Amino acid sequence: EVQLVESGGDLVQPGGSLRLSCAASGFNFRTSWMSWVRQIPGKGLEWVARIKEDGSEKYYLDSVEGRFIISKDNVKNSLYLYMNSLRVEDTALYYCARGGSWFLDWGQGTLVSVS
Amino acid sequence: ETVLTQSPGTLSLSPGERATLFCRASQSVRGGYLAWYQQKHGQPPRLLIYNAASRGADVPDRFSGGGSGTEFTLTINRLEPDDFAVYYCQQYGALPWTFGRGTKVEIK
Repeated sequence: EVQLVESGGDLVQPGGSLRLSCAASGFNFRTSWMSWVRQIPGKGLEWVARIKEDGSEKYYLDSVEGRFIISKDNVKNSLYLYMNSLRVEDTALYYCARGGSWFLDWGQGTLVSVS
Repeated sequence: ETVLTQSPGTLSLSPGERATLFCRASQSVRGGYLAWYQQKHGQPPRLLIYNAASRGADVPDRFSGGGSGTEFTLTINRLEPDDFAVYYCQQYGALPWTFGRGTKVEIK
């Protein structure tokens, strides 16, 4: 069974930093593209970033480029999102998702509040 | 960026009826690279359709996707109680990947 478990969400002040983690199991993480997608509670979905299987390619939403960094540890089967210079508009539920184009599996999400 | 417009915003139907959901793109979606997701309250989205018409794993054949270019549809035949939810389309033909704002399918 595929499992994606996010952690690291918190309440942070504008300009602050957070590191989100996603522990993956039940599939071959080493050969999988992975992504982060966010959702403002009660609102729609927004793709944030994606990373290639070996970490050699990374792509970002323009509004987070230069502030967020996606990374992948294929030994620990973990995905990360380093978030810097956080803004109020980054407040959302952040999902870890398997896939770099469409998203086959999703975690339950971790809540980031910037206020 | 490719803007996806979903219609209608809300669809009120009875169990057993057919639902047809629309997703219109502001520019042609390269390769028909479009997916559909179902989201229930308090849960993450669930993949239903990818590449416009391919069903995800364990997705019942009551769900079907179609379309190309700028016009796409999701059809749900014989609605079951478990199908009442919000449905999102997503394109991955051009960065940034974008989602529509969703169609809520509610019980009439």
